[in-house]
This record gives sequence, C-alpha cells and structure tokens, in this order.
Amino acid sequence: DQQVKQNSPSLSVQEGRISILNCDYTNSMFDYFLWYKKYPAEGPTFLISISSIKDKNEDGRFTVFLNKSAKHLSLHIVPSQPGDSAVYFCAARVWSAGGTSYGKLTFGQGTILTVHP
Amino acid sequence: DADVTQTPRNRITKTGKRIMLECSQTKGHDRMYWYRQDPGLGLRLIYYSFDVKDINKGEISDGYSVSRQAQAKFSLSLESAIPNQTALYFCATSRGGSQREQFFGPGTRLTVL
Repeated sequence: DQQVKQNSPSLSVQEGRISILNCDYTNSMFDYFLWYKKYPAEGPTFLISISSIKDKNEDGRFTVFLNKSAKHLSLHIVPSQPGDSAVYFCAARVWSAGGTSYGKLTFGQGTILTVHP
Repeated sequence: DADVTQTPRNRITKTGKRIMLECSQTKGHDRMYWYRQDPGLGLRLIYYSFDVKDINKGEISDGYSVSRQAQAKFSLSLESAIPNQTALYFCATSRGGSQREQFFGPGTRLTVL
C-alpha cells in the first residue's frame, strides 16, 4: 500500500524553464511533508518542507505547494538549472495519536529530473 | 565536519553469507534509521532506533537485524543474504522531539549473487 506516490518516474525540462514535480498521498494523518534531492552516488539531502497547516512554502528558486483537500503536493523549481538534475523524493510524516512525533518518514518512489542546457 | 558515514560503500557477496553494514554519525543525534532504495520503490524503512535502548522494526524488517552499539553507531546485518536484498542501503539520523528532517549517509551498494 503506497501511501505516498510520485506518478511521474521522470521529467525533462529546458534550462531556465519551470520544473514541476508532483506527489500524491492517501493518509490524512500526515502532518508534515518534505522534499529530498539525490545525486548519483550520494545520499538524499533535504531540500524544502511544508507543514500541513500551510499551503505554500518558498525558499529561493524552490516552492512547495500543498493542497490538502486533494491530498497533493508539488515542488516548483524556477528557473531550472542543469545542476538541479537529480532524483527528487517527496516524504511525509504522521503525527502520532499521542502527540509525540516518532520521526518516521514515508517516501515516494522518486522522480528523475533532467534539466537540459 | 559533522557527518553520517557508512561502511563499506560497495559490497558484493554470495547468497547465504552474513553481511554487516555500519553507520556512524558525529551529529549528536539520538535517532537513527536504516532504509533501502530499490528502483521504482523509493526509500523503504527497515529499522529505526530512537536511542541506544530503543529498536523498532520498519516496514520491511524481515531478513534483517540491527544493533545500536552507541548513540553514534547503528549497524545493519543480513544474517543470510539473498539476491533480492541487492539494493542501495542508506543510514539516516535525526534529532528527537519536533525534529522532522533526516540526514542521510552516502549509501552502501550491496550486490548479492
């Protein structure tokens, strides 16, 4: 049962244009969402996150949008650069019923972004 | 530099062999995790530990065991490796409390023949 899904295995974009990576989730108990970027032969690195009480978070060229009613989040990269070429994972966390975060993250399958010069 | 390190980085082994993957961190974090990455499946949680005395199974713990030797060290063992355990393995750490972000090591590529 895939609770976090990234339905696009790959995305190809021209340098300078916008990249939009999408993520859908099914668990309404997720309270926090994160995006990670992964280069070959390296571990994933944290990129940007958003709390479920917000609908947008921006950090430089990166913006994450959350649509709770649709259980959908997206990562926008503007403008895209060749160095952004990587695998992007979305992840989500459940806030436990007892009010204590257990820190477990559920990851999507990943989307390979290729930005062409 | 504060960091998460994994050894070995690459390992080829044969079916039935016992394998240990090691993870060390200098971030001072209490929580440590082991994930595996497979094409098309993303990152899946194998085991996690919130402190030295706390070990918990993740979603795919069968065939694996772990040991938290110290706050900074968390090792993953495959008691009898099988080919479908061929994957990329990542260790990660995080602080406790409201900490959400996890910090990942560089990964170990394991091939079981």
